[in-house]
Amino acid sequence: KAGVTQTPRYLIKTRGQQVTLSCSPISGHRSVSWYQQTPGQGLQFLFEYFSETQRNKGNFPGRFSGRQFSNSRSEMNVSTLELGDSALYLCASSTGPPNTEAFFGQGTRLTVV
Amino acid sequence: QKEVEQNSGPLSVPEGAIASLNCTYSDRVSQSFFWYRQYSGKSPELIMSIYSNGDKEDGRFTAQLNKASQYVSLLIRDSQPSDSATYLCAVSKTDKLIFGTGTRLQVFP
Repeated sequence: KAGVTQTPRYLIKTRGQQVTLSCSPISGHRSVSWYQQTPGQGLQFLFEYFSETQRNKGNFPGRFSGRQFSNSRSEMNVSTLELGDSALYLCASSTGPPNTEAFFGQGTRLTVV
Repeated sequence: QKEVEQNSGPLSVPEGAIASLNCTYSDRVSQSFFWYRQYSGKSPELIMSIYSNGDKEDGRFTAQLNKASQYVSLLIRDSQPSDSATYLCAVSKTDKLIFGTGTRLQVFP
């Protein structure tokens, strides 16, 4: 059974640019969550999608957005990149009901220069 | 007060010993608790989930939950150098997981 797939694995962008990250969940999983991980802040919740609907959103500025498609694949977009957006972005998939086990992809390492 | 608190460590234990990792949480309505292991440069890997008070064992790992004390722990028996990693405690809240900052475990030969 294939795991969670995130693309690309690494990205280098310039301040002011925008970026789109992709996540394909485990087959049959309908919930996709996104997290940002930095050395100083740890893992912080960005947003969660279930059946194409955003159910929950973390405390991040509006520059961070996401969406989910009918096949459960999800994308997140960050516009007007700032140096502080450099982080590991992780996607986790689960079957969907609250409180179920979540499995992470390999992550996308974003560096903003 | 952070919602999920862990000692950052490092926790150093000799090979073969029991490593004990602890986590406290602030939201009494939390129902689900998870332990993840994260090797340096890698993504978190789910190793245990626990939903009710008491102990849950899986191989060398035992998760312990005490909802009255708002406390979750992970015991690793017969610790191996390959267990050296950061262990993240996660607590469910509505449709998201709240993570602690992790405890770095070092197992020395």
